[in-house]
Amino acid sequence: QKEVEQDPGPLSVPEGAIVSLNCTYSNSAFQYFMWYRQYSRKGPELLMYTYSSGNKEDGRFTAQVDKSSKYISLFIRDSQPSDSATYLCAMGAGGTSYGKLTFGQGTILTVHP
Amino acid sequence: DAGVIQSPRHEVTEMGQEVTLRCKPISGHDYLFWYRQTMMRGLELLIYFNNNVPIDDSGMPEDRFSAKMPNASFSTLKIQPSEPRDSAVYFCASSLQPGQGTPYEQYFGPGTRLTVT
Repeated sequence: QKEVEQDPGPLSVPEGAIVSLNCTYSNSAFQYFMWYRQYSRKGPELLMYTYSSGNKEDGRFTAQVDKSSKYISLFIRDSQPSDSATYLCAMGAGGTSYGKLTFGQGTILTVHP
Repeated sequence: DAGVIQSPRHEVTEMGQEVTLRCKPISGHDYLFWYRQTMMRGLELLIYFNNNVPIDDSGMPEDRFSAKMPNASFSTLKIQPSEPRDSAVYFCASSLQPGQGTPYEQYFGPGTRLTVT
């Protein structure tokens, strides 16, 4: 079993829809939770960062972390065609392993006009 | 800043040949990471360095893979001999020390697309 599980999709939604992306994990040591976005033939870029449990909002994007359930989510409101990309969740434990991230497999999202 | 620079961008080689991938991290970044990405396995961490010292190489698939970081501005990932199953996109990324910038924000290069025939 992988430390981080993410449904690879693909996910196809109409413009304006609310998108929900999710990951589950098994390592209780994870404290840092991130979402990276990767456009086709590009490297991933950090989209959202959350430390420990709770919600974080940035424009149309909301990240949620539920450490008790070992479950994280990314919500995209009013989705746009420019949001079409692969979304990867990533997690880090901190401490002596600071720097090391474990990524989910990524969910391919297409937003069609 | 030019960002993380990787070369070559594309590499096609025959099975058994040696392949060397190169990376120049962002100036001032102390961490450097090598990843491999495939459709089947996603993005996998191979090895990472802190201040040019390898910290964790547990993701290196086998002895055919080796990585070096001779100085703060250059790193190589070598595969010798290469096999068709090594075909993937290899990414290099760099980041700052704890307490600087957003924790765990890694800056990725454009990747090297490797095809081994």
